[in-house]
Amino acid sequence: QKEVEQNSGPLSVPEGAIASLNCTYSDRGSQSFFWYRQYSGKSPELIMFIYSNGDKEDGRFTAQLNKASQYVSLLIRDSQPSDSATYLCAVRDYGNNRLAFGKGNQVVVIP
Amino acid sequence: GAGVSQSPSNKVTEKGKDVELRCDPISGHTALYWYRQSLGQGLEFLIYFQGNSAPDKSGLPSDRFSAERTGGSVSTLTIQRTQQEDSAVYLCASSLFDYGATEAFFGQGTRLTVV
Repeated sequence: QKEVEQNSGPLSVPEGAIASLNCTYSDRGSQSFFWYRQYSGKSPELIMFIYSNGDKEDGRFTAQLNKASQYVSLLIRDSQPSDSATYLCAVRDYGNNRLAFGKGNQVVVIP
Repeated sequence: GAGVSQSPSNKVTEKGKDVELRCDPISGHTALYWYRQSLGQGLEFLIYFQGNSAPDKSGLPSDRFSAERTGGSVSTLTIQRTQQEDSAVYLCASSLFDYGATEAFFGQGTRLTVV
C-alpha cells in the first residue's frame, strides 16, 4: 500500500456545486496533513493544512480529518472555474518530517 | 530572495551525460526537499535535508542520483549518466523546521528532458 493514496479519477463538477476529494494514508504516526493545488505547468501551492480530528474551514474550502480511519478529505464549496486544477494530498509524520504526496486528483469545474 | 529559486528552468541533455540542478531555498528555511514529477503523476520524494542532520536519501531511485546542500542553504541535485526515464520536472521545496503543520514552499521546478 502506498503511503498516500488518492484513487479517484478526474472530477467534473458544475460551477457552484461542491467538489469532494478524498485521501487515505498508511502510516498511523502521521501527524500533519496538507492539501496543495497545482495548476497545469505550475508548482504546487498550499491551500490548507489540518492536524486535529474534525473539520477545518477556510473560505470555500473545508478539510476533514479522521485519524482513526486514516483519511483526510477536502470539500470545495461554490466551485469556480478558477478551481480547475490538480489537488495533491500530503502527509507528514513527526518521526522523520518527510512530506509524502499522493498522486493527485484533477478537478474540472464546468461553467 | 522572496521565494524558492531553481535553475535552470529547462534542461535538455543527451543520454549518458551528467546534469546538475540547483535550488536556492527561502532564506532562513532549514528544511529542503527534492521531488520528481513525471507527466500526469504525483510528486515522488527524492531526498530531504534538515539543518546539519544527515539527509534522508530514502527516495533516491538509483546511485546515479545524489544531492548535497552546502552551508545549510543552496542545494544541488546531480544525476549521472542520465537515462530517458529521468525526464521529469524536478521540484525543490523549503520550509521552516517544525514538527507540525509547517508549509513547504515550492520552486518553479526544472524540466529535464533526456534525449
